[in-house]
Amino acid sequence: EAGVTQFPSHSVIEKGQTVTLRCDPISGHDNLYWYRRVMGKEIKFLLHFVKESKQDESGMPNNRFLAERTGGTYSTLKVQPAELEDSGVYFCASSQDRTGGYGETQYFGPGTRLLVL
Amino acid sequence: AQKITQTQPGMFVQEKEAVTLDCTYDTSDPSYGLFWYKQPSSGEMIFLIYQGSYDQQNATEGRYSLNFQKARKSANLVISASQLGDSAMYFCAMREGEDNNQGGKLIFGQGTELSVKP
Repeated sequence: EAGVTQFPSHSVIEKGQTVTLRCDPISGHDNLYWYRRVMGKEIKFLLHFVKESKQDESGMPNNRFLAERTGGTYSTLKVQPAELEDSGVYFCASSQDRTGGYGETQYFGPGTRLLVL
Repeated sequence: AQKITQTQPGMFVQEKEAVTLDCTYDTSDPSYGLFWYKQPSSGEMIFLIYQGSYDQQNATEGRYSLNFQKARKSANLVISASQLGDSAMYFCAMREGEDNNQGGKLIFGQGTELSVKP
Protein backbone atom coordinates (compact mmCIF):
# COMPACT_ATOMS: atom_id res chain seq x y z
CA GLU A 1 0.00 0.00 0.00
CA ALA A 2 1.39 3.37 -1.01
CA GLY A 3 2.04 5.88 1.75
CA VAL A 4 1.31 9.57 1.82
CA THR A 5 3.05 11.32 -1.04
CA GLN A 6 3.85 14.99 -1.44
CA PHE A 7 4.96 17.04 -4.39
CA PRO A 8 7.29 18.77 -4.89
CA SER A 9 9.91 17.60 -2.45
CA HIS A 10 11.63 20.98 -2.62
CA SER A 11 10.60 24.40 -3.86
CA VAL A 12 12.63 27.60 -4.02
CA ILE A 13 10.71 30.71 -4.96
CA GLU A 14 11.06 34.44 -4.64
CA LYS A 15 9.04 36.58 -2.32
CA GLY A 16 5.76 37.51 -3.92
CA GLN A 17 5.51 34.43 -6.11
CA THR A 18 2.92 31.70 -5.81
CA VAL A 19 3.58 28.10 -4.86
CA THR A 20 1.21 25.15 -4.80
CA LEU A 21 1.96 22.08 -2.75
CA ARG A 22 0.21 18.79 -3.35
CA CYS A 23 -0.56 15.90 -1.04
CA ASP A 24 -1.91 12.48 -1.96
CA PRO A 25 -3.14 10.68 1.15
CA ILE A 26 -3.22 6.96 1.69
CA SER A 27 -6.04 5.50 -0.35
CA GLY A 28 -9.26 5.31 1.63
CA HIS A 29 -8.20 7.77 4.30
CA ASP A 30 -10.92 10.32 4.88
CA ASN A 31 -8.85 12.57 7.08
CA LEU A 32 -6.11 14.76 5.69
CA TYR A 33 -4.01 17.16 7.71
CA TRP A 34 -1.50 19.85 6.84
CA TYR A 35 1.29 20.79 9.23
CA ARG A 36 4.27 23.09 8.99
CA ARG A 37 7.65 23.23 10.64
CA VAL A 38 9.45 26.55 10.51
CA MET A 39 13.19 26.18 11.04
CA GLY A 40 14.11 25.16 14.56
CA LYS A 41 10.57 25.29 15.86
CA GLU A 42 7.94 22.69 16.57
CA ILE A 43 5.66 21.22 13.97
CA LYS A 44 2.40 23.16 13.92
CA PHE A 45 -1.03 22.20 12.69
CA LEU A 46 -2.48 24.14 9.77
CA LEU A 47 -5.75 22.49 8.89
CA HIS A 48 -7.78 19.31 8.73
CA PHE A 49 -10.03 17.96 5.99
CA VAL A 50 -12.62 15.26 6.44
CA LYS A 51 -13.16 14.10 2.90
CA GLU A 52 -13.63 17.34 0.97
CA SER A 53 -14.79 19.44 3.91
CA LYS A 54 -12.62 21.63 6.09
CA GLN A 55 -13.07 20.35 9.62
CA ASP A 56 -10.63 22.68 11.32
CA GLU A 57 -8.60 25.46 9.76
CA SER A 58 -7.66 27.20 12.97
CA GLY A 59 -3.95 26.86 12.26
CA MET A 60 -3.89 28.64 8.92
CA PRO A 61 -1.64 31.66 9.47
CA ASN A 62 -3.42 34.12 7.19
CA ASN A 63 -5.44 34.47 4.02
CA ARG A 64 -2.40 34.03 1.81
CA PHE A 65 -2.82 30.31 2.41
CA LEU A 66 -5.56 28.43 0.58
CA ALA A 67 -6.15 24.72 0.92
CA GLU A 68 -8.46 22.60 -1.16
CA ARG A 69 -9.40 18.96 -1.37
CA THR A 70 -11.60 18.52 -4.36
CA GLY A 71 -13.40 15.18 -4.50
CA GLY A 72 -12.02 14.15 -1.17
CA THR A 73 -8.86 12.69 -2.61
CA TYR A 74 -5.69 14.72 -3.01
CA SER A 75 -5.22 18.14 -1.47
CA THR A 76 -3.40 21.27 -2.53
CA LEU A 77 -2.04 24.06 -0.39
CA LYS A 78 -1.42 27.30 -2.22
CA VAL A 79 0.62 30.17 -0.84
CA GLN A 80 -0.03 33.43 -2.66
CA PRO A 81 1.89 35.67 -2.43
CA ALA A 82 4.71 33.93 -0.59
CA GLU A 83 6.60 35.79 2.13
CA LEU A 84 10.00 35.06 3.67
CA GLU A 85 8.43 33.74 6.88
CA ASP A 86 6.59 31.06 4.93
CA SER A 87 9.84 29.12 4.51
CA GLY A 88 9.79 25.77 6.21
CA VAL A 89 8.80 22.17 5.76
CA TYR A 90 5.16 21.47 4.97
CA PHE A 91 3.93 18.05 6.00
CA CYS A 92 0.76 16.30 5.01
CA ALA A 93 -0.70 13.45 7.04
CA SER A 94 -3.70 11.20 6.65
CA SER A 95 -5.72 8.89 8.84
CA GLN A 96 -8.65 6.58 8.33
CA ASP A 97 -10.50 7.61 11.47
CA ARG A 98 -13.75 5.92 10.56
CA THR A 99 -14.49 5.23 14.21
CA GLY A 100 -13.08 8.45 15.51
CA GLY A 101 -11.02 8.71 18.65
CA TYR A 102 -7.84 10.20 19.92
CA GLY A 103 -5.89 7.02 19.24
CA GLU A 104 -6.13 7.20 15.48
CA THR A 105 -2.64 7.23 13.99
CA GLN A 106 -1.77 9.86 11.45
CA TYR A 107 0.64 8.79 8.73
CA PHE A 108 2.89 11.48 7.39
CA GLY A 109 4.29 12.22 4.00
CA PRO A 110 7.94 13.14 3.43
CA GLY A 111 7.21 16.85 3.41
CA THR A 112 7.84 19.70 1.01
CA ARG A 113 10.76 21.95 1.82
CA LEU A 114 9.83 25.48 0.84
CA LEU A 115 12.38 28.25 0.69
CA VAL A 116 11.23 31.78 -0.02
CA LEU A 117 14.02 34.15 -1.01
CA ALA B 1 -3.55 24.97 27.31
CA GLN B 2 -2.35 21.95 25.44
CA LYS B 3 1.39 21.71 25.34
CA ILE B 4 4.14 19.20 24.70
CA THR B 5 7.62 19.78 26.09
CA GLN B 6 10.76 17.99 25.03
CA THR B 7 13.60 19.38 27.11
CA GLN B 8 16.48 17.63 25.36
CA PRO B 9 17.41 19.34 22.09
CA GLY B 10 20.14 16.74 21.50
CA MET B 11 21.16 13.40 22.93
CA PHE B 12 24.07 11.04 22.37
CA VAL B 13 24.03 7.32 23.04
CA GLN B 14 26.51 4.55 22.46
CA GLU B 15 25.49 1.84 20.05
CA LYS B 16 23.75 -1.10 21.77
CA GLU B 17 22.92 0.94 24.85
CA ALA B 18 19.44 2.07 25.88
CA VAL B 19 18.35 5.70 25.77
CA THR B 20 15.38 7.61 27.15
CA LEU B 21 13.92 10.62 25.39
CA ASP B 22 11.85 12.84 27.63
CA CYS B 23 8.39 14.18 26.93
CA THR B 24 6.00 15.97 29.25
CA TYR B 25 2.57 17.17 28.33
CA ASP B 26 -0.13 19.42 29.63
CA THR B 27 -3.83 18.97 29.04
CA SER B 28 -7.09 19.33 30.90
CA ASP B 29 -8.81 16.71 28.75
CA PRO B 30 -9.10 13.31 30.47
CA SER B 31 -9.01 11.57 27.10
CA TYR B 32 -5.94 11.89 24.95
CA GLY B 33 -3.43 9.97 22.95
CA LEU B 34 0.33 10.30 22.95
CA PHE B 35 2.47 9.51 19.93
CA TRP B 36 6.13 9.34 19.07
CA TYR B 37 7.43 9.92 15.57
CA LYS B 38 10.91 9.52 14.14
CA GLN B 39 12.29 11.80 11.46
CA PRO B 40 15.53 10.57 9.91
CA SER B 41 17.71 12.82 7.80
CA SER B 42 15.77 11.80 4.70
CA GLY B 43 12.87 13.82 6.11
CA GLU B 44 9.93 11.46 6.33
CA MET B 45 7.99 11.21 9.60
CA ILE B 46 7.71 7.63 10.80
CA PHE B 47 5.14 6.62 13.41
CA LEU B 48 6.75 4.65 16.23
CA ILE B 49 4.42 4.11 19.14
CA TYR B 50 1.12 5.18 20.71
CA GLN B 51 -0.18 5.38 24.28
CA GLY B 52 -3.78 6.14 25.22
CA SER B 53 -4.62 8.02 28.38
CA TYR B 54 -6.68 5.14 29.73
CA ASP B 55 -4.22 2.41 28.87
CA GLN B 56 -3.16 0.57 31.99
CA GLN B 57 0.06 -0.79 30.58
CA ASN B 58 2.97 0.95 28.94
CA ALA B 59 3.01 0.58 25.17
CA THR B 60 5.77 -1.42 23.54
CA GLU B 61 6.71 -1.88 19.88
CA GLY B 62 9.81 -3.92 19.33
CA ARG B 63 12.78 -1.97 20.70
CA TYR B 64 10.56 0.99 21.52
CA SER B 65 8.65 1.36 24.75
CA LEU B 66 6.79 4.25 26.25
CA ASN B 67 7.26 5.00 29.94
CA PHE B 68 3.87 6.50 30.70
CA GLN B 69 3.54 8.24 34.05
CA LYS B 70 0.10 9.79 34.01
CA ALA B 71 0.30 11.57 37.36
CA ARG B 72 3.51 13.26 36.27
CA LYS B 73 2.14 13.87 32.76
CA SER B 74 5.17 12.32 31.17
CA ALA B 75 5.47 9.96 28.22
CA ASN B 76 9.12 9.17 27.75
CA LEU B 77 10.32 7.06 24.84
CA VAL B 78 12.79 4.32 25.65
CA ILE B 79 14.86 2.84 22.85
CA SER B 80 16.65 -0.33 23.83
CA ALA B 81 19.81 -1.64 22.17
CA SER B 82 20.40 1.50 20.10
CA GLN B 83 21.45 1.06 16.49
CA LEU B 84 23.20 3.46 14.15
CA GLY B 85 19.98 3.73 12.16
CA ASP B 86 18.24 5.17 15.20
CA SER B 87 20.06 8.46 14.67
CA ALA B 88 17.25 10.89 13.87
CA MET B 89 14.99 13.59 15.22
CA TYR B 90 12.28 12.29 17.53
CA PHE B 91 8.99 14.09 18.09
CA CYS B 92 6.49 13.57 20.86
CA ALA B 93 2.90 14.51 20.02
CA MET B 94 -0.51 14.57 21.65
CA ARG B 95 -4.05 14.41 20.37
CA GLU B 96 -6.99 15.26 22.61
CA GLY B 97 -10.55 14.16 22.81
CA GLU B 98 -12.64 11.09 22.25
CA ASP B 99 -14.89 12.77 19.74
CA ASN B 100 -13.53 13.12 16.24
CA ASN B 101 -15.51 16.31 15.95
CA GLN B 102 -12.99 17.92 18.23
CA GLY B 103 -10.62 17.96 15.34
CA GLY B 104 -7.91 15.41 15.69
CA LYS B 105 -4.94 17.69 15.26
CA LEU B 106 -1.65 16.70 16.81
CA ILE B 107 0.28 19.01 19.10
CA PHE B 108 4.03 18.48 18.79
CA GLY B 109 7.05 19.08 20.96
CA GLN B 110 10.16 20.69 19.57
CA GLY B 111 11.92 17.39 19.05
CA THR B 112 15.07 15.69 20.28
CA GLU B 113 17.98 15.02 17.95
CA LEU B 114 19.41 11.59 18.82
CA SER B 115 22.88 10.61 17.68
CA VAL B 116 24.02 7.02 18.07
CA LYS B 117 27.77 6.59 18.32
CA PRO B 118 29.50 3.44 17.01
